[in-house]
Amino acid sequence: GENVEQHPSTLSVQEGDSAVIKCTYSDSASNYFPWYKQELGKGPQLIIDIRSNVGEKKDQRIAVTLNKTAKHFSLHITETQPEDSAVYFCAASISNFGNEKLTFGTGTRLTIIP
Amino acid sequence: DGGITQSPKYLFRKEGQNVTLSCEQNLNHDAMYWYRQDPGQGLRLIYYSQIVNDFQKGDIAEGYSVSREKKESFPLTVTSAQKNPTAFYLCASIKTSGRAGDTQYFGPGTRLTVL
Repeated sequence: GENVEQHPSTLSVQEGDSAVIKCTYSDSASNYFPWYKQELGKGPQLIIDIRSNVGEKKDQRIAVTLNKTAKHFSLHITETQPEDSAVYFCAASISNFGNEKLTFGTGTRLTIIP
Repeated sequence: DGGITQSPKYLFRKEGQNVTLSCEQNLNHDAMYWYRQDPGQGLRLIYYSQIVNDFQKGDIAEGYSVSREKKESFPLTVTSAQKNPTAFYLCASIKTSGRAGDTQYFGPGTRLTVL
């Protein structure tokens, strides 16, 4: 089955700097890659996603890049703010039109230092 | 949390007891999922259901059971056969659109502690 590795497990950046979180996946058939943000004691919230027919997607300060050849995708957060502090999870799925089974990475705890 | 409710938020259980976690959604979503979250291990899939009266095992189904009698409800029972049930349990759902990559929306979670 699919295996997703996520790095780093913890990340601290100064407010205003950029943060990058990287994930690799094992199954070349995976075609959907969402990123979730989870605040303490809450359920994960989708922040951005990308499908395998796209190399990059951006939404304001957040961007995701996908390298299908290397089986690698990354989350980029620019101009970080204190409210960006949370745990971030990447995921991958072999999307089969209604049979969505996500495999998650182990998470990155991002801390923004004021 | 987008119309997915989980109850209770905190649950305490004695060893040897079965306990049922509730998950309800009013989003008219088709598929529903249960995940378990442990520190440092991300989310692992327990069971999922694409339609009413049908469900499939995920990666860690042993010691758990589910039912899907109504589209909006997908309760999870943690049985006494689950060796290490203390964890944070998350329910999710999606509206299947017939295209690749439908978004999973998560509930707020239930924290189960076995005493």
